[in-house]
Amino acid sequence: AQSVTQLGSHVSVSEGALVLLRCNYSSSVPPYLFWYVQYPNQGLQLLLKYTSAATLVKGINGFEAEFKKSETSFHLTKPSAHMSDAAEYFCAVTLNTGFQKLVFGTGTRLLVSP
Amino acid sequence: EAGVTQSPTHLIKTRGQQATLRCSPISGHTSVYWYQQALGLGLQFLLWYDEGEERNRGNFPPRFSGRQFPNYSSELNVNALELEDSALYLCASSFDPSQETQYFGPGTRLLVL
Repeated sequence: AQSVTQLGSHVSVSEGALVLLRCNYSSSVPPYLFWYVQYPNQGLQLLLKYTSAATLVKGINGFEAEFKKSETSFHLTKPSAHMSDAAEYFCAVTLNTGFQKLVFGTGTRLLVSP
Repeated sequence: EAGVTQSPTHLIKTRGQQATLRCSPISGHTSVYWYQQALGLGLQFLLWYDEGEERNRGNFPPRFSGRQFPNYSSELNVNALELEDSALYLCASSFDPSQETQYFGPGTRLLVL
């Protein structure tokens, strides 16, 4: 069964600093990987996705993630944090087998200080 | 293009009652998924509907059920509510089962007293 591990339930950065949110996955077959963002009292918004095309994926709001099969990782980065990036971020995995149940990590809350 | 919509935004019930949550997918999407986001338990898959049929369910008791209507909108019903059913219930839709990307609605926050 597939699973996702997000290291760090909270990450704090200063405005303008690099954002790095970590995600490692476990899957017996090639996975599809996603990052979603959740702002307070809202649903999930898709940031970016990896579906076996380019390993470096660019998403919205300046975020990108790199799929590294050898490390079973899909870390999310942004060169310069903005106050508006403060939110909870979820990494998720699904299998390209026709049944698209998303398996989520436990989430990382990003705190951005001025 | 309108996104996934859910109603109501908030719902307060007491133990033992029934709750009905509604979801309208993005126009053209046939698959609807329900997830529960409970405090301390994270996001868990509940149910998947496609073309009016329940295709799969997560590890939840039978009192969690639902249906999908001919217009692809969906209802989630929770019977015999328990305190631990308090959670944010998220609905997502995808174009069809082969499409890997799910788009989420804003959720319904259910509080069981």
